[in-house]
Amino acid sequence: EPEVTQTPSHQVTQMGQEVILRCVPISNHLYFYWYRQILGQKVEFLVSFYNNEISEKSEIFDDQFSVERPDGSNFTLKIRSTKLEDSAMYFCASSSWSSGSTDTQYFGPGTRLTVL
Amino acid sequence: KQEVTQIPAALSVPEGENLVLNCSFTDSAIYNLQWFRQDPGKGLTSLLLIQSSQREQTSGRLNASLDKSSGRSTLYIAASQPGDSATYLCAVKAAGNKLTFGGGTRVLVKP
Repeated sequence: EPEVTQTPSHQVTQMGQEVILRCVPISNHLYFYWYRQILGQKVEFLVSFYNNEISEKSEIFDDQFSVERPDGSNFTLKIRSTKLEDSAMYFCASSSWSSGSTDTQYFGPGTRLTVL
Repeated sequence: KQEVTQIPAALSVPEGENLVLNCSFTDSAIYNLQWFRQDPGKGLTSLLLIQSSQREQTSGRLNASLDKSSGRSTLYIAASQPGDSATYLCAVKAAGNKLTFGGGTRVLVKP
């Protein structure tokens, strides 16, 4: 069964460093998402992406964050200058469409980001 | 702003007992509601999606109901097994693309 994959599974970085989290969505999906879950807190929406542009973003997704689909398969989240509070599990998700009521979002296994 | 709440936060039952997990949301203008399972340190596995026009959805031992007007959904797991131990999350999709998640119910099924 097709699945969303994410690399790396765990990333440790120093505060102020740039990180890139990578995702390979399900191959025929058109909509891509990033969510994060700080330890012990709810899963929070960051951004959605369609047709090579951001379609929606939350207030968390400030100028330190960017997303890109550099080729036909990868979807990346870049954090330009990491802060301690960016430590979280980051989930990528994809869906085949988004405007209807039947669009299941499928999630990857997550990347645990630890900022020291 | 949509708020999603799950009560109880944790639940422990003996094997074989039926599980009842609750989810409530503040804005009834939703497109759908998804139930997920999350194992410790792992990703989210989609269990069921209920469209706003549906009252319930079933998959194996799982049954989810939706009462949109009262802002509630319930996930029933019949004849629980130790392998059902996990955290169960509900999430609603309103206008736009994002899912808004509840805090989850952590379930322990004791053999």
